[in-house]
Amino acid sequence: DAKTTQPNSMESNEEEPVHLPCNHSTISGTDYIHWYRQLPSQGPEYVIHGLTSNVNNRMASLAIAEDRKSSTLILHRATLRDAAVYYCILSGGSNYKLTFGKGTLLTVNP
Amino acid sequence: GAVVSQHPSRVICKSGTSVKIECRSLDFQATTMFWYRQFPKQSLMLMATSNEGSKATYEQGVEKDKFLINHASLTLSTLTVTSAHPEDSSFYICSAPGPDNQPQHFGDGTRLSIL
Repeated sequence: DAKTTQPNSMESNEEEPVHLPCNHSTISGTDYIHWYRQLPSQGPEYVIHGLTSNVNNRMASLAIAEDRKSSTLILHRATLRDAAVYYCILSGGSNYKLTFGKGTLLTVNP
Repeated sequence: GAVVSQHPSRVICKSGTSVKIECRSLDFQATTMFWYRQFPKQSLMLMATSNEGSKATYEQGVEKDKFLINHASLTLSTLTVTSAHPEDSSFYICSAPGPDNQPQHFGDGTRLSIL
């Protein structure tokens, strides 16, 4: 499985934007970029995914580099409920198994 | 949206007990489900892929006789931890791909504590 690299932790203030980076230099042409997040003692929650173009949904935006070797998850206005571990995962599609790395622990300060 | 329900949410039992965890897809069918295990302060580790109507596919290092998986219907997969011991204490999580190529949906996990 292609690997991803994320910072171990990041910190943000409430109501400020947050940019969570992910490097995936060995991504293949068919790999989708998925983002999930996990709150303490809960299962992961889907955030967003994309292939080549930038994506927006009600939770976040995903900016994908032109060479697809990196991507950035953007939370436009962080809230305390956004504090979680964010995982960037490459996968062939929704039916494919997901390989979780260590993710980024996001702390949101009030 | 698609929901995956996991039961029970927490189990505490004595060493040597076998424990069954259920994973259900609500309002959609899932021919494939995935089982993960997560130790404290660590990431999720895939244990096995549950396939409806056929044998599960286990990841390297996961004992299939220890962790029995049964995917008897299109909406239910069960994981049975046989003769559980304290080292099996962990957070077990299942997931299923949503319908119409939706992303995977995860259950809320089962906290297993073996005394």
